[in-house]
Amino acid sequence: DAMVIQNPRYQVTQFGKPVTLSCSQTLNHNVMYWYQQKSSQAPKLLFHYYDKDFNNEADTPDNFQSRRPNTSFCFLDIRSPGLGDAAMYLCATSKPPGLGGVVEQFFGPGTRLTVL
Amino acid sequence: GQQLNQSPQSMFIQEGEDVSMNCTSSSIFNTWLWYKQDPGEGPVLLIALYKAGELTSNGRLTAQFGITRKDSFLNISASIPSDVGIYFCAGKSNFGNEKLTFGTGTRLTIIP
Repeated sequence: DAMVIQNPRYQVTQFGKPVTLSCSQTLNHNVMYWYQQKSSQAPKLLFHYYDKDFNNEADTPDNFQSRRPNTSFCFLDIRSPGLGDAAMYLCATSKPPGLGGVVEQFFGPGTRLTVL
Repeated sequence: GQQLNQSPQSMFIQEGEDVSMNCTSSSIFNTWLWYKQDPGEGPVLLIALYKAGELTSNGRLTAQFGITRKDSFLNISASIPSDVGIYFCAGKSNFGNEKLTFGTGTRLTIIP
C-alpha cells in the first residue's frame, strides 16, 4: 500500500544534541510537509517542499532545518534541541493543488521526540 | 498563524449516541477536510469536501461544506468505542498555495 513512513517512531535526545528525523513516501507526491504537534493542539506547519522548492514558515525557528534529497525522502534536522522542542513531529504529503484541485494531505504516523 | 474555530472542544457521550461537531472561519475556504487522530498516531483523512453545500458520507460519518463557505460540519452516527480520538477540521483558501489551516480539534470520549 502506498504510504507515508516516519522513522524512528520514538526518538530521545539530549538537550543541545542534534537530531534528525526522517520521512519517506511511496505516494510519489510532489509536496512534503513537516509539522510540529504539541499535546492536544493542532499540527503546526514548520515548512514544506514543493518538489525541491523549500518554503519556510515565518515563525519556524532557525534551529529547525530540512532536506529533501529526492522525491521520496525528506528529513527534519533539529540542530540544538531544547526542552520546548519535545513534541510529535508529523510528516505529510500531497499532490500539488493545481492538479485536479486535490489538496488532501496524507500524514505519517509521527515521531515522538523527547528531550532530556 | 490562523486557526479555525472548532466546537465543541470536547465531548463525552455514550456508545450508540450520535455526534455533531463544527468548524467555523471568518474567511472563505474552498476546501474542507476532516481528520481523526488516535493517541500517538498521525491524523487520518476521513472526508474531503470541495463544493459549497456538498454533503459527503463515509460509513457512519457525514460531513457538509457550509453554503457560506465559512463553515463545515461533521456528524457521526451510532458512535462506537473506536470513534474515540481527536477530530480536526482543516481548510484551504483559494490563494493557490498548498497549505492547510487546522481547527483547534474536538476530543471525543465515549463513556462506558
